[in-house]
Amino acid sequence: DQQVKQNSPSLSVQEGRISILNCDYTNSMFDYFLWYKKYPAEGPTFLISISSIKDKNEDGRFTVFLNKSAKHLSLHIVPSQPGDSAVYFCAASIGAGSYQLTFGKGTKLSVIP
Amino acid sequence: NAGVTQTPKFQVLKTGQSMTLQCAQDMNHNSMYWYRQDPGMGLRLIYYSASEGTTDKGEVPNGYNVSRLNKREFSLRLESAAPSQTSVYFCASRQGVGGNTIYFGEGSWLTVV
Repeated sequence: DQQVKQNSPSLSVQEGRISILNCDYTNSMFDYFLWYKKYPAEGPTFLISISSIKDKNEDGRFTVFLNKSAKHLSLHIVPSQPGDSAVYFCAASIGAGSYQLTFGKGTKLSVIP
Repeated sequence: NAGVTQTPKFQVLKTGQSMTLQCAQDMNHNSMYWYRQDPGMGLRLIYYSASEGTTDKGEVPNGYNVSRLNKREFSLRLESAAPSQTSVYFCASRQGVGGNTIYFGEGSWLTVV
């Protein structure tokens, strides 16, 4: 039973436009969420996180929105750049200090020049 | 700054053979992790070590053993490899209390034939 779902395996966006990556979760105990980016043949790298006490967190071109009632979060990238082409993983945990993260299957973003 | 280093990067094993994946981090982190990633799947936690001297099972521990050799090193052992263990393995580390970000190594590609 998947507790963290990324229902879009892939997404293509024109350079300069907005990329929106979505993530849904089923476990209402999750209260800390992270996004990781992964390039081929490399390990995932941390991008941005959000605690359930917030509904938005921003870091440069990256913004994560959390809708707790819908158990949904999204990552917005504005403007999208070709270097953003990667696989994006959503992850969730119970508590920011939890040792266990539950990952989604990932969404492959392609930014077209 | 090496971060998290894994060896070997690529390995082909025959069914029933044993091998150990090595991992070392130079960030003085307390917690270390082993994940596997299969095609179309998110990262799944195999084992983790919250601190030196402790290890705990994750989501998919069967067929694996781990050793937290010291604060820097966390190894993953396959005692009798099976084709189902063909995967990409990622070691990771986290500071622990007060540090939420998990840092990943570059991955080890393991094929069991």
